[in-house]
Amino acid sequence: DGGITQSPKYLFRKEGQNVTLSCEQNLNHDAMYWYRQDPGQGLRLIYYSQIVNDFQKGDIAEGYSVSREKKESFPLTVTSAQKNPTAFYLCASSIDLAGFGGELFFGEGSRLTVL
Amino acid sequence: AQSVTQLGSHVSVSEGALVLLRCNYSSSVPPYLFWYVQYPNQGLQLLLKYTSAATLVKGINDFEAEFKKSETSFHLTKPSAHMSDAAEYFCAVSDSEAAGNKLTFGGGTRVLVKP
Repeated sequence: DGGITQSPKYLFRKEGQNVTLSCEQNLNHDAMYWYRQDPGQGLRLIYYSQIVNDFQKGDIAEGYSVSREKKESFPLTVTSAQKNPTAFYLCASSIDLAGFGGELFFGEGSRLTVL
Repeated sequence: AQSVTQLGSHVSVSEGALVLLRCNYSSSVPPYLFWYVQYPNQGLQLLLKYTSAATLVKGINDFEAEFKKSETSFHLTKPSAHMSDAAEYFCAVSDSEAAGNKLTFGGGTRVLVKP
């Protein structure tokens, strides 16, 4: 079955530690996205990527970094510079970034708790 | 910039009753509009989308939404609530003329279904 796999599902880290969240898709989609979800705030875009080796900042990129070395993979690193990293992180993909009105497919999310 | 407002962060309905979730958007260009559903600790799934075709859009699980340009609204309805409809629902807008499939999400409405 095609889909998006995020890991780990739950992650606990101490303050000051960098954390990398994995996102893999086998849908052959060109575009991939990272969203952050906080209660009552909906989803906010962190980074997105249209093609391999290219990515763009979203609305809340500060304190995060990404890479896109393979079409299937779009890992997100939450750095120690992110002031409030505890959140639910969602990875998504779409057929292409220029597909206006296209559907986003989401993974099941990673819940990060910083102690 | 586009934005989405969902009226009511929580809605409680009785099983069998009408479900009505309100969504208003702002966009300087014709929008694409979406409703997604999220079950606990999972990603989002597309319920339905409006992409400038018919103004009344039918989605999965008997949900439908009506695009009203004059009211800048895209309210979601279901004639008869089922226990399995208990979830969080997100309205989202995409700028139809922007290069990209980036969605702006509302804050979400959590639906509780009472037996």
